[in-house]
Amino acid sequence: TQLLEQSPQFLSIQEGENLTVYCNSSSVFSSLQWYRQEPGEGPVLLVTVVTGGEVKKLKRLTFQFGDARKDSSLHITAAQTGDTGLYLCAGRNSSASKIIFGSGTRLSIRP
Amino acid sequence: DAGVIQSPRHEVTEMGQEVTLRCKPISGHNSLFWYRQTMMRGLELLIYFNNNVPIDDSGMPEDRFSAKMPNASFSTLKIQPSEPRDSAVYFCASSFRTSPNSNQPQHFGDGTRLSIL
Repeated sequence: TQLLEQSPQFLSIQEGENLTVYCNSSSVFSSLQWYRQEPGEGPVLLVTVVTGGEVKKLKRLTFQFGDARKDSSLHITAAQTGDTGLYLCAGRNSSASKIIFGSGTRLSIRP
Repeated sequence: DAGVIQSPRHEVTEMGQEVTLRCKPISGHNSLFWYRQTMMRGLELLIYFNNNVPIDDSGMPEDRFSAKMPNASFSTLKIQPSEPRDSAVYFCASSFRTSPNSNQPQHFGDGTRLSIL
């Protein structure tokens, strides 16, 4: 069974600080997606990475896919209160047509 | 554009009752997914359909759970009989897949918060 472990589970930091959250697995994925979920809503896709070592930037968010395509990280620069939410990574392997979601990192940005 | 629409948003019922959750996917999408989310287990895929046909129902926890997709614009997830451990937020998502391994995003509804007393 493929598992995606996210760390930390919970993170509370002050507005303006930087942070990194991680998504790790022992399995190789053909692609990996990051979603953000706000209370009372469903997850919303932020980015998809498909190439080992790939880096994608979305304003203050930087996403990286590990060289071996087993892990990924999300770095947020100068966090804002609007970044608060549950961040989920989701991986797809080459033989599966469904994706597997990680356990999630619950991020809280204090004003 | 309308997103994925789920109903009801909240449901509270007593154990043993039948529960039916409804989903209207985004028009034009050909894949539909049902997920369950809890604090303990996170977001779990229950079943997904491609072109209205169930492809993988290995995540359906028990025979008490069933899902149907009679047409491209409607799906139901039914629990009969319901139990307290079924309490969770149930999400429906849809996407447009051009191939089995395409990376098209899944668009989620706002979920149904189900409480079984």
